[in-house]
Amino acid sequence: GENVEQHPSTLSVQEGDSAVIKCTYSDSASNYFPWYKQELGKRPQLIIDIRSNVGEKKDQRIAVTLNKTAKHFSLHITETQPEDSAVYFCAALYNFNKFYFGSGTKLNVKP
Amino acid sequence: DTGVSQDPRHKITKRGQNVTFRCDPISEHNRLYWYRQTLGQGPEFLTYFQNEAQLEKSRLLSDRFSAERPKGSFSTLEIQRTEQGDSAMYLCASSSSGNEQFFGPGTRLTVL
Repeated sequence: GENVEQHPSTLSVQEGDSAVIKCTYSDSASNYFPWYKQELGKRPQLIIDIRSNVGEKKDQRIAVTLNKTAKHFSLHITETQPEDSAVYFCAALYNFNKFYFGSGTKLNVKP
Repeated sequence: DTGVSQDPRHKITKRGQNVTFRCDPISEHNRLYWYRQTLGQGPEFLTYFQNEAQLEKSRLLSDRFSAERPKGSFSTLEIQRTEQGDSAMYLCASSSSGNEQFFGPGTRLTVL
């Protein structure tokens, strides 16, 4: 099966700074990597995703990079705002059917 | 509301009782997933349906757990003889062939 590791578990940044969250996966057959934002008591919401045939994807202040050789992918948030504070989860799609999630990063953006 | 819905939102039960949760996916989505999420952890995959066929089942899903999607639309997750360790948030998600999952609000189970 797949194993997804996520770091750091907590991240505190000053408003306006950048935040980077990193994930590694174990199975080279995984080919789709979404990132979710989960606010307290709410459902996970997809914020960006990347497929294995792409190295980088950007959507306004959010970007994701993928290194297939090293089997790691990262979430980059620039110009952070207090409303970015939440728990962020990475995931990897294994065998087209199963999603494996990281353990989450609690991001705190200090105003 | 055209999103994924789950019912009930909260369930409190006594150890040993059976519980059943329902998930209604987005109508055109043929893929449906169940996850369990405990505090401070990411969602753990439980099972996956494509239409009415259950194609994947995690080893986490012991013989006390069963899921169905009889007509390829809504799905139910049943836990028999609940244990305190079953207390968690049970999340349902659906997707079409594009992989992007949409999550429901979850059912929070508390086993006393």
